[in-house]
Amino acid sequence: NFVLTQPHSVSESPGKMVTISCTRSSGSIAGNYVQWYQQRPGSAPTTLIYEDRRRPSGVPDRFSGSIDSSSNSAFLTISGLETEDEADYYCQSYDRRSRVFGEGTKLTVL
Amino acid sequence: VQLLDSGGGLVQPGGSLRLSCAASGFSFNRYAMSWVRQAPGKGLQWVASLGGSPTNTYYADSVKGRFTISRDNSRNTLYLQMNALRVDDTAIYYCARNDGFQVVSSSWIEFWGQGTLVTVSS
Repeated sequence: NFVLTQPHSVSESPGKMVTISCTRSSGSIAGNYVQWYQQRPGSAPTTLIYEDRRRPSGVPDRFSGSIDSSSNSAFLTISGLETEDEADYYCQSYDRRSRVFGEGTKLTVL
Repeated sequence: VQLLDSGGGLVQPGGSLRLSCAASGFSFNRYAMSWVRQAPGKGLQWVASLGGSPTNTYYADSVKGRFTISRDNSRNTLYLQMNALRVDDTAIYYCARNDGFQVVSSSWIEFWGQGTLVTVSS
């Protein structure tokens, strides 16, 4: 099994931009789609990004996804930070045998 | 889309529990469904998925042989039968709708239920 490594926490000010990384330990980040999920405190997760960079209907374009093969990493970028963006963010990918989530990144908007 | 999880509670180690998820707002029989869990203060873990046929399934290694996912399309309901429960199965269990009809490696979660808490303790 592979592991997806995320920073434990990040923080940024309202109105700024933040990027959260998700690094795959083995197997190609480019060969297996990455999803991103947001979980606000006390709530169920919601889906922000699927298939590396696509947004479900209703997700603002302040949220964007990308991948970088050289670092075998995926990235979630949030621009124009709002206080309501304060949440845990999880990346998720797969191989033939398993579906794996990253351990999550706590975003603080201060 | 609405997914209403229920059936959680307190159970002793070695015991059994069945979770239910009542779905509405979409054609239930046209989508694969999943269960994802979250231990207290921890991250997400994909537990099981079920597609359009009974053999189109996925189970995490940690639950294989103990948990069974099933569905009743006439009742628009998803189930998770959990047997031989262990203390480390304690978690909030989320019902979820996949993006398509079949369970494939690239499946992703499109919609989430509110979750139901399962506590395994003596």
